[in-house]
Amino acid sequence: QVQLQQSGPGQVKPAETLSLTCTVSGISISTDYWAWIRQSPGKGLEYIGHIYYSGIVLYSPSFESRVTISRDTSKNQVSLSLSFVTAADTAMYYCAWLSGYGAPFDSWGQGTLVTVSS
Amino acid sequence: SYVLTQPPSVSVAPGETATISCGGDNFVTKSVHWYQQKPGQAPVVVIHYDRDRPSGIPERFSGSKSGNTATLTIYRVEAGDEAEYYCQVWGTDTDHVVFGGGTKLTVL
Repeated sequence: QVQLQQSGPGQVKPAETLSLTCTVSGISISTDYWAWIRQSPGKGLEYIGHIYYSGIVLYSPSFESRVTISRDTSKNQVSLSLSFVTAADTAMYYCAWLSGYGAPFDSWGQGTLVTVSS
Repeated sequence: SYVLTQPPSVSVAPGETATISCGGDNFVTKSVHWYQQKPGQAPVVVIHYDRDRPSGIPERFSGSKSGNTATLTIYRVEAGDEAEYYCQVWGTDTDHVVFGGGTKLTVL
């Protein structure tokens, strides 16, 4: 059973970098695909990007200029960094697992509410 | 950018049938996945690959697709089905992943 446990600060100052970590258990992150998705308060789901088992990363054009998704295979962790945040980046951030390109997001982390505020 | 269009809300009485639509272009080439999200919880897949139910999802949940519209049908709706439902596809020209705007299902 794939389990995803998220960690990271719940508050970030404007213009700084949001950093979150997703620790995976039940499967090696060197297999399958790992994604980040966010949900602004009262809004819908928004795809940020994902990292392949090979380490290749794809980003949504909406975030491409300021997002980095990376992994640490020794810790079985996937990370998200989003730079130059503004209030519009206040959202619940989720990591998610999927078995391949075109597959659904089958397992999700518990979510991390990140508030951008000074 | 690619858009998936869902009705903002659907209301049904308990025991009735709820239908939630999802419209998009070139659906014939894309698989549609459906998620249920209850308040304060992460989304859960209820239908994947247009019409297949993941393990553990009640048979009351059904998916279909015709032309440029995918439909999630929930038979014999229960109070516990009240949630937000999202459709999702991969592989558009401009975005790798797109979610619909979500449909709030209210059980009267």
